[in-house]
Amino acid sequence: EAGVAQSPRYKIIEKRQSVAFWCNPISGHATLYWYQQILGQGPKLLIQFQNNGVVDDSQLPKDRFSAERLKGVDSTLKIQPAKLEDSAVYLCASSPGPLGTEAFFGQGTRLTVV
Amino acid sequence: AQSVTQLGSHVSVSEGALVLLRCNYSSSVPPYLFWYVQYPNQGLQLLLKYTTGATLVKGINGFEAEFKKSETSFHLTKPSAHMSDAAEYFCAVSDRGGTASKLTFGTGTRLQVTL
Repeated sequence: EAGVAQSPRYKIIEKRQSVAFWCNPISGHATLYWYQQILGQGPKLLIQFQNNGVVDDSQLPKDRFSAERLKGVDSTLKIQPAKLEDSAVYLCASSPGPLGTEAFFGQGTRLTVV
Repeated sequence: AQSVTQLGSHVSVSEGALVLLRCNYSSSVPPYLFWYVQYPNQGLQLLLKYTTGATLVKGINGFEAEFKKSETSFHLTKPSAHMSDAAEYFCAVSDRGGTASKLTFGTGTRLQVTL
C-alpha cells in the first residue's frame, strides 16, 4: 500500500514570496490533515478535511494560509506571503475515518523562509 | 479542550537499559491516546494506540504503554533500549468526536541511546 506522498521535500524562499505544498493521501482515506511542526515543538494542526469539506481550520492563519482538497483526494496548502516564522516542517496525514483509527503521515516538506 | 504534557524534552539511556517516556493528558471525555516516533527527516510513525479495552497496549519494536485513568497518564516503556530507538517520540490525544476529532500532540521527547 502506498503511503502519504508530499512534495516538495524541501523549499527555501524569501519572505513575502508565495509557496505551495502538495499532498496525495492514501487511497480511500476520507480524512486529511495538515500539520505545522516548528523546530523543537510538536505538530500543530492547521486544517482538517473530511472528504473535500473543512472540519477544523481554527488554527489556520487565514490571512496568509489557504488550503483546498480537490475532489476529496489531493490537497494543496499555500502560504502567501510567507513570513520568517513560517519556517517549519509541514506534515500531511490521512486516516480512513474517525480518530481511534490511525493517522498516517507523509515525510513532510521542510520550508525555510529567509 | 484536550492537551498533552510530555515530561522531559530529552532522555538519555544506555543501550540495554529501561526506556521510560512520560506522558500526561487532559481531556474532558474518555480519550484515544497514541505514541508516535519520528526519525530525522521523516514523518511520524505510529508506535501504539489506546482506544478501548485492555489498558496495557503493546506496539511495534518492543514498546508498550499503560493507560492509567486515575493518573491521566500514558507512559511509554521498553525493557531494553537499542541504538536504533534513538529518535523523537510524541504522545498525542484525541477525543471521541467522530469526524470532528482532532489529534493534539505533545512537545516531544528526544531519546538518546548511548553505548
